[in-house]
Amino acid sequence: NAGVTQTPKFQVLKTGQSMTLQCAQDMNHEYMSWYRQDPGMGLRLIHYSVGAGITDQGEVPNGYNVSRSTTEDFPLRLLSAAPSQTSVYFCASSPVYYSGYTFGSGTRLTVV
Amino acid sequence: GQQLNQSPQSMFIQEGEDVSMNCTSSSIFNTWLWYKQDPGEGPVLLIALYKAGELTSNGRLTAQFGITRKDSFLNISASIPSDVGIYFCAGQAAGNKLTFGGGTRVLVKP
Repeated sequence: NAGVTQTPKFQVLKTGQSMTLQCAQDMNHEYMSWYRQDPGMGLRLIHYSVGAGITDQGEVPNGYNVSRSTTEDFPLRLLSAAPSQTSVYFCASSPVYYSGYTFGSGTRLTVV
Repeated sequence: GQQLNQSPQSMFIQEGEDVSMNCTSSSIFNTWLWYKQDPGEGPVLLIALYKAGELTSNGRLTAQFGITRKDSFLNISASIPSDVGIYFCAGQAAGNKLTFGGGTRVLVKP
C-alpha cells in the first residue's frame, strides 16, 4: 500500500517557468489537500478537494491551480514560478473530513 | 483567518523526562489533531480528538481536547531520543480545512 505519492521529490525552476507537482493516493480517499511549508513555519493550505470534480481555495491559493478529475490524483500547477514559491509542498488525503490526513513525503521546490 | 498559537516554539528534552506542549486559538474547533514531522518527511498523525474534554493516549503520548474547544495539549512521558522532531497541532472547524499551528521543535539536551 503506497499511501500518498508525490513526484518529483526535488525540483529547481527558473522564474516564470510553469510546472505540475503530482500527487496520487491509492486509499480511495475522497478528501485531498495541498499545503506549503516554509522554513520554521507550519503548513499553510493552498487548495483542497472534497471529491472528484470539486476543488476550493485554501489560505494561500494565488499562483497555483488544481483540478481533480479522478479520486486518485490531485495535481498542483504552478502557473508562472516566482522565488516566493520556493517551499516544501505536501499533498495529503483523508477518507472523511474529520479523521486526519495522511501526508506524502513532500516536493522540495526551489525557484531561482 | 483562523490562527493557532503553539507553544513553546522549541524545547530541549532529556531522556526520561515528561514534556508538554499546547495549542490555543481564538476560534472554536470541532476536531484537534496532533502530528509529528521528522526531517525530510511529511507529518504523521499521532492523535485525533473529537470531543471537548476528551483525553486520548497513544503509547507514551497523551492529548486532551480543551473544554472551551479553543485549546489542546500534548504530553510526552518518559522521553526517548526518537521523540526529537517537530510537533504540530491542527484544528478543524466546520467542513474540511485544517489549520496548523507553527510547530514545537523538540531537541535533545546537549
